Amino acid sequence: RKEVEQDPGPFNVPEGATVAFNCTYSNSASQSFFWYRQDCRKEPKLLMSVYSSGNEDGRFTAQLNRASQYISLLIRDSKLSDSATYLCVVNLAQDSGYSTLTFGKGTMLLVSP
Amino acid sequence: NAGVTQTPKFQVLKTGQSMTLQCAQDMNHNSMYWYRQDPGMGLRLIYYSASEGTTDKGEVPNGYNVSRLNKREFSLRLESAAPSQTSVYFCASSELSVGNEQYFGPGTRLTVT
Repeated sequence: RKEVEQDPGPFNVPEGATVAFNCTYSNSASQSFFWYRQDCRKEPKLLMSVYSSGNEDGRFTAQLNRASQYISLLIRDSKLSDSATYLCVVNLAQDSGYSTLTFGKGTMLLVSP
Repeated sequence: NAGVTQTPKFQVLKTGQSMTLQCAQDMNHNSMYWYRQDPGMGLRLIYYSASEGTTDKGEVPNGYNVSRLNKREFSLRLESAAPSQTSVYFCASSELSVGNEQYFGPGTRLTVT
């Protein structure tokens, strides 16, 4: 089973639409959760962290369901500039005793005029 | 602050050639990482360095070596490049290797012919 699974999309939505992405993770011990955004041929950049109680940042809302091991991202009032790939990210404990991040393959969003 | 910088931006190698990818960060982060990103595979961790003086293997370490030169710099070496190592390589850093958010460099596009 893959560590982090996402629907690759693409999700095609018109400007102003609301769109939601989900992802599931396999390691119940994961403690840190993030959504990253990656534009075409660019590096990933942190969009937002995901907290247990859910959190909002402007038009973006993230939710975490630990019991079902899934994370969601809701984007309201989509803008053309939201077109990108959204990466679901969770931490993974390593044998070394440290923790690294595991990235999903991403969900592509295309917002059209 | 420049954040995370990588050199070179692009490189073409012939099979069997060697090269070193350079990465530096100016955020005084303790932990640094090397990833590769291939179409359909997402980001995969090659090596990481949780702190100066330590390095550990990630998911796909074969064919690579790393050096944590000092707190700022973390290099990735391909001793004998193979076509399977054609990829986009990203360096990242984080304050600590406990699942903290990571900051990425702009990437190196490597083609091995």
